[in-house]
This record gives sequence, C-alpha cells and structure tokens, in this order.
Amino acid sequence: EDQVTQSPEALRLQEGESSSLNCSYTVSGLRGLFWYRQDPGKGPEFLFTLYSAGEEKEKERLKATLTKKESFLHITAPKPEDSATYLCAVQARQAGTALIFGKGTTLSVSS
Amino acid sequence: DAGVIQSPRHEVTEMGQEVTLRCKPISGHNSLFWYRQTMMRGLELLIYFNNNVPIDDSGMPEDRFSAKMPNASFSTLKIQPSEPRDSAVYFCASSLVGINYGYTFGSGTRLTVV
Repeated sequence: EDQVTQSPEALRLQEGESSSLNCSYTVSGLRGLFWYRQDPGKGPEFLFTLYSAGEEKEKERLKATLTKKESFLHITAPKPEDSATYLCAVQARQAGTALIFGKGTTLSVSS
Repeated sequence: DAGVIQSPRHEVTEMGQEVTLRCKPISGHNSLFWYRQTMMRGLELLIYFNNNVPIDDSGMPEDRFSAKMPNASFSTLKIQPSEPRDSAVYFCASSLVGINYGYTFGSGTRLTVV
C-alpha cells in the first residue's frame, strides 16, 4: 500500500534557527513527490515537485531534496511568515494522477 | 484567474439532511479532485475526474456520498443523509492531466453536521 509519513508532527523554531522536515514514503513506482504549504483556513499551496533521487529544488529559504525512500524540506534562517503546515505527497505511477498526502508538519517560527 | 472556487465556505447542517458542495475548477484544467481533511486522517482523496469522467471513486466512504461533473466547469459532491462523522473540511482541486506541477486547491468548505 502506498504510504507517506511526515515527521515531526510539530516543530517550533526561533527566527533564524535552521532545521529540516522529513517525509518518508512507500510507493510502487514513484512518478513524483510534491511539497505543499497550507496556511490556516486555506487550501494547500504548491511549492515543489521532485522526480528522481538526487534532485533538489529551491525557493527562497526552502530547499527540497529527494532520495529513494525519503524527502527533506530544509528551512534556512526561517522567519515568522514561514509558519504554516507543510504537506508532502507522492504520485504513484499506477495511481494515475492522484496524489497521496502525509498528515503534515506544523511549523511555528517565533521572533 | 480566480483559481478554484468552492461554495459554500462554511456549512452547518443537522444530521440526516442532504448537503451539496460545489466546485468550479480553473478554466482549461481537465482533472478535478475531491479531498477531505480531518485532524485524525489528514487529506484523503475521495474521487477524481479526468475530462469529466470519474476515474477512481474508491475513496468515497460509503453510498451516502456521490459526486458528479456534468461539464468541464462544474462539479458537485453530495452527502445524503449527512452524519456527524462527515464533519471535515472538503477541498476541491484541479490540474492538467500528465503535467506534474501539482494541483491547485480551492479554499475548502468546512462542513459541520450536528
């Protein structure tokens, strides 16, 4: 069964304190791994797609990396506006275009 | 582009009543997805359509749930009769088939069944 597990469930950081979020996945043939950001009361917002092990993508203070079993979302020198829930999702080849999501990591950054 | 539009934003209904959630996808997108989000289970796929045709409805919890997409610009998710355990946030998302830049989600409908 295709599965996505994110850790930790919640993470509290001080402004400027870098850290990483983990996404472990089990999928029968990975078509793509996706990262989303979700703010309270809103729908998830697309951040990155990674396709193969070794690939990296960057956007401002965020960098996503991918191995054959997990992905990391690295947050460098976070600011309070980075506070949100970060969701990881996988797209399996046999599932077509449907994404399977993890439960997310809720990040709080205090100044 | 107005993005994916869902209505209503909030719905409070009594157990046993029929509930209809609505979604207008982004113009030109040919895939549409309905997800449900709860604290316990996270985001769960309910059903998705490609070119208005239902492809996979295995996530629909039971026969009380039904979804339709009569045309490329409109979809509904209906619950009849509703139960308290249906309380959740329901999201609609759209994308282009075969393009892996991710889905665009609507703002969701928060459903409370009392």
